[in-house]
Amino acid sequence: DAGITQSPRHKVTETGTPVTLRCHQTENHRYMYWYRQDPGHGLRLIHYSYGVKDTDKGEVSDGYSVSRSKTEDFLLTLESATSSQTSVYFCAISGGGSKVYNEQFFGPGTRLTVL
Amino acid sequence: RKEVEQDPGPFNVPEGATVAFNCTYSNSASQSFFWYRQDCRKEPKLLMSVYSSGNEDGRFTAQLNRASQYISLLIRDSKLSDSATYLCVVNPIYNQGGKLIFGQGTELSVKP
Repeated sequence: DAGITQSPRHKVTETGTPVTLRCHQTENHRYMYWYRQDPGHGLRLIHYSYGVKDTDKGEVSDGYSVSRSKTEDFLLTLESATSSQTSVYFCAISGGGSKVYNEQFFGPGTRLTVL
Repeated sequence: RKEVEQDPGPFNVPEGATVAFNCTYSNSASQSFFWYRQDCRKEPKLLMSVYSSGNEDGRFTAQLNRASQYISLLIRDSKLSDSATYLCVVNPIYNQGGKLIFGQGTELSVKP
């Protein structure tokens, strides 16, 4: 399995509070992604990174920001959490020398509940 | 129309059965295709990349039909452990680290 960890694994927070989720990889992969998964929607891309300090928006980026100050860490921040951001968040990585570069490998996920 | 569409199932099959899933995609320029498996409350895991000529990995066979814009996954001799949700995934533009589009998944339940 790819060396990807996410922290925290579970979090309950209140509406209006800031929340930061961390994704850490030990694979030296160039690309990193944040997804959310909700019933009826499947996996949807929030933000992604194509290198240190290089990030771009996905299809559901409103209300989220990201930062990548070093190759191994990709942070997702909810500046002011809302109940609609209750979801399971997955981090993924790609671009590490596999035959097909855009194969992505996922972390274990973070279950976030916003009350 | 969704970019990637799958029959959500569930598919309920007995052990030993052969089961096939189909997936359609809307962007004819799509370049890369994958099947992922996701167990309940776990992360998606890559099952197979789908190559233009079709490919096989043990009991699993993936096919790509570009003319009709669909991808299929065939599972032979189903095992109880095959019970999971199978995600069809498409990269609409070929590039390294390209964004992927996920279908909502097809649920498979294999019964004794």
